[in-house]
Amino acid sequence: DAGITQSPRHKVTETGTPVTLRCHQTENHRYMYWYRQDPGHGLRLIHYSYGVKDTDKGEVSDGYSVSRSKTEDFLLTLESATSSQTSVYFCAISESTLAGVAPQTDTQYFGPGTRLTVL
Amino acid sequence: ILNVEQSPQSLHVQEGDSTNFTCSFPSSNFYALHWYRWETAKSPEALFVMTLNGDEKKKGRISATLNTKEGYSYLYIKGSQPEDSATYLCALTSGGSYIPTFGRGTSLIVHP
Repeated sequence: DAGITQSPRHKVTETGTPVTLRCHQTENHRYMYWYRQDPGHGLRLIHYSYGVKDTDKGEVSDGYSVSRSKTEDFLLTLESATSSQTSVYFCAISESTLAGVAPQTDTQYFGPGTRLTVL
Repeated sequence: ILNVEQSPQSLHVQEGDSTNFTCSFPSSNFYALHWYRWETAKSPEALFVMTLNGDEKKKGRISATLNTKEGYSYLYIKGSQPEDSATYLCALTSGGSYIPTFGRGTSLIVHP
């Protein structure tokens, strides 16, 4: 199994409070992703990173920010949590395993997920 | 945003039945199609990645085919077992982007 951990695994918070979720990897993979999973929507990309300090927005980035100061850590912050951000959050990593192979073929490896409830 | 469709949305079969489901996607600028298996309360795990038209991949009782010209991939499970119960996701990468677009998945329940 890829070495990916997420913390916390469960969190209950109140509307308006800031929340930070952490994804930590021991694989030294270049690419990291944050997804949210909601019934009827599958996995939707929030933000992704293609290197230290290199990040970009995904499909559902409003209300979220990210930071990546080290290869191994990718943080997702909800500046002011809302009930619509109640979800299960998954981190994923990927890396090209063959020199010259485009990252489009990379397999993603997922963390165990964080269940966030915003009351 | 690419339109990746999976059908059916859910499927109930009896143990021993063979089954298949579909992932449909835009055929233009295709690069790769991934299949993942996602058990309840766990995280998605990779099954296959396919890049070439006509690709066929197999892993035990599970196999997949790819038609990039018409924009679909089939996932087959032969002799379904209760432990095959999971959601099966497909994800497409295309054009110049390495960011995959996931379908909403097919939920398979295999009854003993």
